[in-house]
Amino acid sequence: RKEVEQDPGPFNVPEGATVAFNCTYSNSASQSFFWYRQDCRKEPKLLMSVYSSGNEDGRFTAQLNRASQYISLLIRDSKLSDSATYLCVVIPNTGNQFYFGTGTSLTVIP
Amino acid sequence: NAGVMQNPRHLVRRRGQEARLRCSPMKGHSHVYWYRQLPEEGLKFMVYLQKENIIDESGMPKERFSAEFPKEGPSILRIQQVVRGDSAAYFCASSSRTGLYTGNTIYFGEGSWLTVV
Repeated sequence: RKEVEQDPGPFNVPEGATVAFNCTYSNSASQSFFWYRQDCRKEPKLLMSVYSSGNEDGRFTAQLNRASQYISLLIRDSKLSDSATYLCVVIPNTGNQFYFGTGTSLTVIP
Repeated sequence: NAGVMQNPRHLVRRRGQEARLRCSPMKGHSHVYWYRQLPEEGLKFMVYLQKENIIDESGMPKERFSAEFPKEGPSILRIQQVVRGDSAAYFCASSSRTGLYTGNTIYFGEGSWLTVV
């Protein structure tokens, strides 16, 4: 079983829409969680950390559900510039690796 | 530029040649990670190093691949006798501490794009 699983999409949404991605992880002792964004042929860049109580950064909201072992990312009022691949990242309790999901592709359509 | 520096950005090698990819971590970072991304696929962990030590190489292919992070100088990912299947983007990332510290995360270089012809 993979450490981290994501729905690859693609998600095609109109501008202004709200879209949500989920990511499940297999290790219940996982320590930390993040969302990264990767544009085509570019490096992944940190979008936001995911805290146990949930956290918000502008139009982006991240949530963690430890009981069900998933994290989510909600994007409100989608912009064309949000088009990218979104990667969830999980760190196990050993701290030795940052496990990346395969990414969810989002295209925001005018 | 205080970010993670990788070079070369693009590298073309013929089958059987060697590829050497270099990574200088962010200033103050002593933890380096190498990831490989095959076309249309996700990031795959390869190896985690601290200065002069390999901490976790569970993602490294058993043959032809090696990595080092010497006391002085950049981290090197070396691929011997390259094959077409090695064509990929190789990303290096660095962090200041291990992932055990809450909120600590990693920052990526722009990647080295290897093409084997």
